[in-house]
Amino acid sequence: SAVISQKPSRDICQRGTSLTIQCQVDSQVTMMFWYRQQPGQSLTLIATANQGSEATYESGFVIDKFPISRPNLTFSTLTVSNMSPEDSSIYLCSVDRTGGANYGYTFGSGTRLTVV
Amino acid sequence: SQQGEEDPQALSIQEGENATMNCSYKTSINNLQWYRQNSGRGLVHLILIRSNEREKHSGRLRVTLDTSKKSSSLLITASRAADTASYFCATSGLYNFNKFYFGSGTKLNVKP
Repeated sequence: SAVISQKPSRDICQRGTSLTIQCQVDSQVTMMFWYRQQPGQSLTLIATANQGSEATYESGFVIDKFPISRPNLTFSTLTVSNMSPEDSSIYLCSVDRTGGANYGYTFGSGTRLTVV
Repeated sequence: SQQGEEDPQALSIQEGENATMNCSYKTSINNLQWYRQNSGRGLVHLILIRSNEREKHSGRLRVTLDTSKKSSSLLITASRAADTASYFCATSGLYNFNKFYFGSGTKLNVKP
C-alpha cells in the first residue's frame, strides 16, 4: 500500500488567513482525494485531485475556498482560504491502495486545524 | 445522498465480548469498506466487501453485506481494549466507484 506523508499535523490559525496542507505519496497515483471531518462528525469528500487537470469539487465546496494543486503524480496541496472558526476540522488526503479503488484507500494522518 | 448511517452511534463493552456495528446506505454500490479511526487521527482500512459478496473474514473481523436491505455489519470478536476507536463504513457507487462516502460512524469503547 502507498504511504502518505501529510503536513502539518496540526495548526492554529487566525481567522481571515489561509493554510496550505500538503500530501506526499511514496508512489505514483492517478487520483488523490481530500476529505474534511468536522468535530465529532464523519468524513465528507471535498474534492478529487487529478494530475494535469482541475480538481473536481463536491457539492457545497468551491475552488475559491479550497483551491487544490496537483503538480505531479505523487503530490497534492489543499488550501483553506479566508478561514473562519467554522473551518475548524480535521483535513485528510487519501489515495487508492494498490492503484485500484477495489482495494480500499490509504489515508494520511490528517491535519487538525483550529481557527481562532 | 449516498452517505450511510451507522448504528449504534456509541457502543461500550467489556474486553472479551463481541462488538457488532451496522451500516445502512441508500443507493446501489460497487463495494463497501470499513475503516477504523483512533482519536481523530488518520483512518486505517480494515476490510472491503464487494457487492457480489455476502460475507468476508479478516482475523477477528467478520463483515456481512445484504444488498437487498442495503446494509452491512461489522463484527469484532473477542474484543480488546486496543479496539477502542471509531469505526466507519464507506461505500462507492456503481458508476463513480472511485469516490467513497462515509457513514456517520460508531464509537466503540472496550473496557479492560
